[in-house]
Amino acid sequence: KAGVTQTPRYLIKTRGQQVTLSCSPISGHRSVSWYQQTPGQGLQFLFEYFSETQRNKGNFPGRFSGRQFSNSRSEMNVSTLELGDSALYLCASSDTISTDTQYFGPGTRLTVL
Amino acid sequence: AQKITQTQPGMFVQEKEAVTLDCTYDTSDPSYGLFWYKQPSSGEMIFLIYQGSYDQQNATEGRYSLNFQKARKSANLVISASQLGDSAMYFCAMRERYTGNQFYFGTGTSLTVIP
Repeated sequence: KAGVTQTPRYLIKTRGQQVTLSCSPISGHRSVSWYQQTPGQGLQFLFEYFSETQRNKGNFPGRFSGRQFSNSRSEMNVSTLELGDSALYLCASSDTISTDTQYFGPGTRLTVL
Repeated sequence: AQKITQTQPGMFVQEKEAVTLDCTYDTSDPSYGLFWYKQPSSGEMIFLIYQGSYDQQNATEGRYSLNFQKARKSANLVISASQLGDSAMYFCAMRERYTGNQFYFGTGTSLTVIP
C-alpha cells in the first residue's frame, strides 16, 4: 500500500496570504489528523477528521480550518498567515479513531515571510 | 497534567550499545494504546512500535522493544545494538479509546549515536 502523501512538500508565502495543504491517507484509512510542529512549541495537534466529520480539535485560532472529502482525502487551510505559522505541518492517517496506529506523511514545510 | 512525559531532552549512546528512552503517561481510560515514533532530520515521523493497554507481553519489533509497566504508567523504549542511523528525535504517544480519542505526544528525546 502507498503511504500517506502530502502536497506540496515545501511552500513559501507572505504574511496575510492564505494557504491550502493537502493530505491523501493510506488506502482504506478513514481518519486523518493534522499536526503543527515548530522548534519552540513542539508537536501540536490541530484537528482530526473521520468520515468527513471533525471529531477532535486542538487549541488553534479559527484561521486554521480543515475538511475531509468522501474519499478520505483531507485539506487544511490557514488564512491570514502570520510569521508564527511557519512550521512543519504533518498529516497522519489511521483506520479508525480507536487505538489504531497513526501513520504519518512526509510533511509540508511552510515558510511565512 | 501532561498526558505524556518524556524527561530526557537529549541522550547519547555508543554504537552497538543498548539505550532506554523514558516515557510516562497519565490516563484514567481503561483502554489505550501506546506508541513510539522516530523523527530523523528529514522530518518524517516513522512508526516504530505499539503496545495495547491489555497486552500481557511487552511489544517487540526487531531491535525495538517497549518496556511496559502498567502500574507505574511507564512505556520505555529500548533500542538494542544502536546504529548510527538511530540518531533522531523519538516521540512517545498515547491514544485513549473512550476519552476524547485524541493522540497525545510527548516533547521528544533527541538521541545521538556516537561511533
